[in-house]
Amino acid sequence: NAGVTQTPKFQVLKTGQSMTLQCAQDMNHEYMSWYRQDPGMGLRLIHYSVGAGITDQGEVPNGYNVSRSTTEDFPLRLLSAAPSQTSVYFCASSSSRDRVNEQFFGPGTRLTVL
Amino acid sequence: GNSVTQMEGPVTLSEEAFLTINCTYTATGYPSLFWYVQYPGEGLQLLLKATKADDKGSNKGFEATYRKETTSFHLEKGSVQVSDSAVYFCALRGGADGLTFGKGTHLIIQP
Repeated sequence: NAGVTQTPKFQVLKTGQSMTLQCAQDMNHEYMSWYRQDPGMGLRLIHYSVGAGITDQGEVPNGYNVSRSTTEDFPLRLLSAAPSQTSVYFCASSSSRDRVNEQFFGPGTRLTVL
Repeated sequence: GNSVTQMEGPVTLSEEAFLTINCTYTATGYPSLFWYVQYPGEGLQLLLKATKADDKGSNKGFEATYRKETTSFHLEKGSVQVSDSAVYFCALRGGADGLTFGKGTHLIIQP
């Protein structure tokens, strides 16, 4: 049981480039989400999904797209990278949208945009 | 909207000292409350949780009690170890829109 996996672990982009951060979970969780972590800011929700085919915006969605075609995968796309998107990105999943369920986090992707 | 406020630190203690990290929240409805821990270079791990008022979460010697009257969820440990050095996040979950986090508290335990 690998839990939540993320690739790549590190990435450097130039301004304007696009890329996809991959996230997968093998726990058959309905709910998946993306957060970014910035110094002194805690973690902030970017997008989330309550099931395959359903996505919604979080607190800081601008500049990011998501889709959920399968239960297992929830990729995050940066359409045109900007230096303000330099951050550590975490994917998380939980068994359902219910508030009592804890979220399980992946190891993170450290992204630098030059 | 929801918000979480916690002491930011760094908090520096000697080994075997008593630990308290304060956390207060603002939320509509009846959220669940969580403490997550992040070790250097790693993702977040759940430390403990409480899902209703007066619940006490506990794990690895850490405890926190969900106090609705004071909107608090303070983290405590009676005797800290060097291995407890990490960043601790208080968070709440009100429903489908994910976790709301505090800014994190960097804890440093000196031998």
